[in-house]
Amino acid sequence: GAVVSQHPSRVICKSGTSVKIECRSLDFQATTMFWYRQFPKQSLMLMATSNEGSKATYEQGVEKDKFLINHASLTLSTLTVTSAHPEDSSFYICSARPGTGGSPLHFGNGTRLTVT
Amino acid sequence: AQTVTQSQPEMSVQEAETVTLSCTYDTSESDYYLFWYKQPPSRQMILVIRQEAYKQQNATENRFSVNFQKAAKSFSLKISDSQLGDAAMYFCAYRSGVGGATNKLIFGTGTLLAVQP
Repeated sequence: GAVVSQHPSRVICKSGTSVKIECRSLDFQATTMFWYRQFPKQSLMLMATSNEGSKATYEQGVEKDKFLINHASLTLSTLTVTSAHPEDSSFYICSARPGTGGSPLHFGNGTRLTVT
Repeated sequence: AQTVTQSQPEMSVQEAETVTLSCTYDTSESDYYLFWYKQPPSRQMILVIRQEAYKQQNATENRFSVNFQKAAKSFSLKISDSQLGDAAMYFCAYRSGVGGATNKLIFGTGTLLAVQP
């Protein structure tokens, strides 16, 4: 089955530093990947759609300069949280799907970011 | 814009019993897909079942089945013979069938299912 790998699973960083999260599709090519954010006991909120070889599409209210997305290849998308602050602490999940149509999204294991 | 509503924040079921989780959605599209995802405490998102809107037959996957009522825009999930491992947060999700690979998944707010031994 389609596998999406996300790394790291957990990261703690100091306020003001930047953190990079990687999302890889291991056995399929993904022209599009999606980045979600989830607060405790809440639903997944789409942050942005990552497009291979072009700029990401950000959802309303998401700061593109804060959450930098790079989709440099068909199997790798990265999310960089720049100048992180405690309010950026959250659970970040990436997803991708092989093909189009009704194929479901497959999710990475998520990254728990804690900013101290 | 499409919306997905899950009106049951929490549900509880006895082991071996059956439980139904509710989901309604709003859309003006005729071509779309519906999904149920499970998120256990590990927080890994796991696909439970999916339904294509053009199919009248309700999808089933072992102990999991859906009641898809297109006219009513309802998509409930039935879990039969509940097991302790079914305890998780369940999310209903919608995706448009128009637009291809960039179509995003819209999630409901989730239902936390507890399974009592």
